[in-house]
Amino acid sequence: GQQVMQIPQYQHVQEGEDFTTYCNSSTTLSNIQWYKQRPGGHPVFLIQLVKSGEVKKQKRLTFQFGEAKKNSSLHITATQTTDVGTYFCAGLSGGSYIPTFGRGTSLIVHP
Amino acid sequence: NAGVTQTPKFQVLKTGQSMTLQCAQDMNHEYMSWYRQDPGMGLRLIHYSVGAGITDQGEVPNGYNVSRSTTEDFPLRLLSAAPSQTSVYFCASSLTVMNTEAFFGQGTRLTVV
Repeated sequence: GQQVMQIPQYQHVQEGEDFTTYCNSSTTLSNIQWYKQRPGGHPVFLIQLVKSGEVKKQKRLTFQFGEAKKNSSLHITATQTTDVGTYFCAGLSGGSYIPTFGRGTSLIVHP
Repeated sequence: NAGVTQTPKFQVLKTGQSMTLQCAQDMNHEYMSWYRQDPGMGLRLIHYSVGAGITDQGEVPNGYNVSRSTTEDFPLRLLSAAPSQTSVYFCASSLTVMNTEAFFGQGTRLTVV
């Protein structure tokens, strides 16, 4: 079945440093979504990417969808303590309507 | 508009007990699902429903039952609780089964002793 691998599992950064998490799928995806979960909270939707090579920005967050629609990344510029949490990708393959979640990347920001 | 409401927030069960985790959404969403979240394992799909009267198994369905008698409600039943079911459970809903964002409930932290 479809697998979505997400790396790294954890990332420690100093406040102000950049951060990137990557998702790779074993199959071609029809779309990919990103979610953020604050410590003790629930996942909250950030964005959805649909087109090959798509790039979307939300303030300091940049989301990319690979040309082959098998990988995606989330990049945060100049991290802040408010960015702390776990970031999940969720990929939907062409033959399924059930999204597969990556295991998440936990971001720890040191002030 | 409350979104997705899960109850209870916390629960402690003894091994062998049964219970129902409640989930309700007021957004007229077609698709609802249950996940469990364990450290380092991400979100694993337990059961899902694409509409009232239709349910199906996800990745880790053993030990759980669901039903979807109305569009709004999607309860998750633990038949005979086991320590391996200690986890955080999330209910989620989305407008349709594809290409739409999922809204998650606040979660239920379940401990089985």
